[in-house]
Amino acid sequence: QAVVTQEPSLTVSPGGTVTLTCGSSTGTVTSGHYPYWFQQKPGQAPRTLIYNTINQHSWTPARFSGSLLGGKAALTLSGAQPEDEGDYYCLLSYSGALVFGGGTKLTVL
Amino acid sequence: EVQLVESGGGLVQPGGSLRLSCAVSGFIFSSYSMNWVRQAPGKGLEWVSYISSSSNTIYYADSVKGRFTISRDNAKNSLYLQMNSLRDEDTAMYYCAKDCNIWGQGTMVTVSS
Repeated sequence: QAVVTQEPSLTVSPGGTVTLTCGSSTGTVTSGHYPYWFQQKPGQAPRTLIYNTINQHSWTPARFSGSLLGGKAALTLSGAQPEDEGDYYCLLSYSGALVFGGGTKLTVL
Repeated sequence: EVQLVESGGGLVQPGGSLRLSCAVSGFIFSSYSMNWVRQAPGKGLEWVSYISSSSNTIYYADSVKGRFTISRDNAKNSLYLQMNSLRDEDTAMYYCAKDCNIWGQGTMVTVSS
């Protein structure tokens, strides 16, 4: 089974920009992996921010954007806010399976 | 408003069984694939199982294959997860999700003697 990798932790300053990445042990991540990005805060269910690489939901703050970058899926946060602190997970689709990354703990400090 | 409400969690002994349910409303259930995802205490998310809108396609994570069965009743707007031969490592919050876009609040399963 594929392994999906994320940065364990990242720190961003308020108002700053940070990029989280999502890599695959099988090679380059493409749109065919239908990358998803989720945000989770303590004690809450996950919330989907990005689906199918770049698509935002109506509730996704405009400061979050998805892309493919350097063979990985990427989530960029531009203009970080204190409320963006939390855990972020990516999800990739493979034939017959979905695999989550281990998550990135994002600190806004 | 789209809602997904899981139920059926609880405390069960190793080797036991539980059936989780997910009642949905606010969208045409029969048109969407569904997933179960779990999260062990203090750990990350783990995909468990997928079922297509018509139940024609079903997938399982290797960790639950042969022990868990996903099903749905489109007439009742409900998704199910039958969990047999439960192990300590199945202890987790179990979430149902519409595609992977809308999530329920989860139901806790604890496997312990």
